[in-house]
Amino acid sequence: GENVEQHPSTLSVQEGDSAVIKCTYSDSASNYFPWYKQELGKRPQLIIDIRSNVGEKKDQRIAVTLNKTAKHFSLHITETQPEDSAVYFCAASDSWGKLQFGAGTQVVVTP
Amino acid sequence: GAVVSQHPSWVICKSGTSVKIECRSLDFQATTMFWYRQFPKQSLMLMATSNEGSKATYEQGVEKDKFLINHASLTLSTLTVTSAHPEDSSFYICSASWGGRGSTDTQYFGPGTRLTVL
Repeated sequence: GENVEQHPSTLSVQEGDSAVIKCTYSDSASNYFPWYKQELGKRPQLIIDIRSNVGEKKDQRIAVTLNKTAKHFSLHITETQPEDSAVYFCAASDSWGKLQFGAGTQVVVTP
Repeated sequence: GAVVSQHPSWVICKSGTSVKIECRSLDFQATTMFWYRQFPKQSLMLMATSNEGSKATYEQGVEKDKFLINHASLTLSTLTVTSAHPEDSSFYICSASWGGRGSTDTQYFGPGTRLTVL
């Protein structure tokens, strides 16, 4: 089955700097890669997703890149703000439509 | 749009009792609903996938007789934890998608249910 690895597990950045989270996946048939943001005790919120027919997608300060050959995808957050502090999860969808999540990255943005 | 609700938001029960958790899609028809469990500071682990009108598909290691799932309509799925024990204490989260089996439509998550078994 699909296996998703996510790095780093924790990431501290100064406000205004950029944050990058990287994930790799194992199933070459995976074709959908969402990113979720989860605040403590709350539901995961979809922040951006990408499908295998594109290599990059951007939404304001958030961007995701996908390299299908290398089977890795990354989340980029620019101009970080304190409200960006949360746990971020990457995920890959297998051929059954089920999501396999990475272990999560705790992002802390310090003013 | 794409709002998913869960009820209750938290529940405390005694060991050996059963607890039912409801997951509803409020503004769309959810052909597929997923149930996850999340332990503190860990990732989401898929427990089962349910499609309206058919039996749920459970992930390896998840006891189907302990975690009963019913998806009777396109807007409601329920998870019943039977004979709950302290090790079942966790955050249970559902998600809903309008795509059918094998679809990669976006999953929208409910707010989660915090279960504590004494």
